Amino acid sequence: NAGVTQTPKFQVLKTGQSMTLQCAQDMNHNSMYWYRQDPGMGLRLIYYSASEGTTDKGEVPNGYNVSRLNKREFSLRLESAAPSQTSVYFCASSGTGKITLHFGNGTRLTVT
Amino acid sequence: EDQVTQSPEALRLQEGESSSLNCSYTVSGLRGLFWYRQDPGKGPEFLFTLYSAGEEKEKERLKATLTKKESFLHITAPKPEDSATYLCAVCGGSNYKLTFGKGTLLTVNP
Repeated sequence: NAGVTQTPKFQVLKTGQSMTLQCAQDMNHNSMYWYRQDPGMGLRLIYYSASEGTTDKGEVPNGYNVSRLNKREFSLRLESAAPSQTSVYFCASSGTGKITLHFGNGTRLTVT
Repeated sequence: EDQVTQSPEALRLQEGESSSLNCSYTVSGLRGLFWYRQDPGKGPEFLFTLYSAGEEKEKERLKATLTKKESFLHITAPKPEDSATYLCAVCGGSNYKLTFGKGTLLTVNP
């Protein structure tokens, strides 16, 4: 069981560059989430998708866009990366009516 | 706004030395309190969900308990492989969003 798969695992960007973080789950879950984790800050919700075709802002959405491509895939895009977006990004999913999150192993992003 | 505070920030134990981690929370209408374990370079791994005060759950050397204001993760006779960061999170109200604490870094020395 792959669970939640994130690509890439590591990425270095220069300020102003763009990139898309990919996430796919094979658990037939309806809801998917993007979190960022920074030292001393804990996990903070960026965007979430309660079901295919819907997306909503979380706690820290500025500078990000998301796309729920289909039930399996939920991508996070940085249009113009900034050093403040240096972080570890985690994708998670949960089943219908469930609130237990299943996490991927993260993408470690550095913006110089 | 939901809030979660975990203490201590870091805890160092000797193998076999039992202890507890604390998670204090404020939430409007608790739907669930979660404990996760996170190893370095990995995503959080689900441990427990507690739904109401008085509930307890156990898994190997770990036992989670819940009151109306806090949860404890008790670790009995820990082993070095229990070393990890333990995260607490709550979900409240009518949504499905979790609010996480900053975690407790547990180190168990052999």
